[in-house]
Amino acid sequence: DVKVTQSSRYLVKRTGEKVFLECVQDMDHENMFWYRQDPGLGLRLIYFSYDVKMKEKGDIPEGYSVSREKKERFSLILESASTNQTSMYLCASRGFGRGLNTGELFFGEGSRLTVL
Amino acid sequence: QKEVEQNSGPLSVPEGAIASLNCTYSDRVSQSFFWYRQYSGKSPELIMSIYSNGDKEDGRFTAQLNKASQYVSLLIRDSQPSDSATYLCAVKGIQGAQKLVFGQGTRLTINP
Repeated sequence: DVKVTQSSRYLVKRTGEKVFLECVQDMDHENMFWYRQDPGLGLRLIYFSYDVKMKEKGDIPEGYSVSREKKERFSLILESASTNQTSMYLCASRGFGRGLNTGELFFGEGSRLTVL
Repeated sequence: QKEVEQNSGPLSVPEGAIASLNCTYSDRVSQSFFWYRQYSGKSPELIMSIYSNGDKEDGRFTAQLNKASQYVSLLIRDSQPSDSATYLCAVKGIQGAQKLVFGQGTRLTINP
């Protein structure tokens, strides 16, 4: 069964702290994504990676960085958390095996981050 | 103008009726279109995909695509309370082949 696991479901951090959000997939997928979801704004893409050590900025990369040292793991890093980064963060993956036209992203359960 | 737009709702439909969800997109060259369902507190899951003009049916769900009007819709027939969720429209192909762009979602409530 397909599985995307996010390390923390709920986090509370203080302004200025460094935050790591971890995501692991067990499907040998090449593509991995980090989205944030906010009421009224839908899902917005922060960063994505199409292979190990490869990364591309999404629509809202400011204030974030990512790391993909291994194929199964994609980490989102908030170097200095701010209150406007309070959000639900969703990790997703997709494999090439299903064809480039597929839009089937497999999502993790999400990490709800609150920055005080 | 947002790249993918949906009416955020809430949309309220009586049980057994047809629920109609709409989405417009701005990039004329978009090729692939998807509907995701997201239950409260859960992550999105893919329910329909459509790539060519016309209708595509899967059980109680029908996706409709009109590329000339840059419009995609989702119809849910015989709506059930379990269909109550937020429905996200997603479009692939804008500024790159790897990513999906999502609309803000429409919250649907089916009233028993």
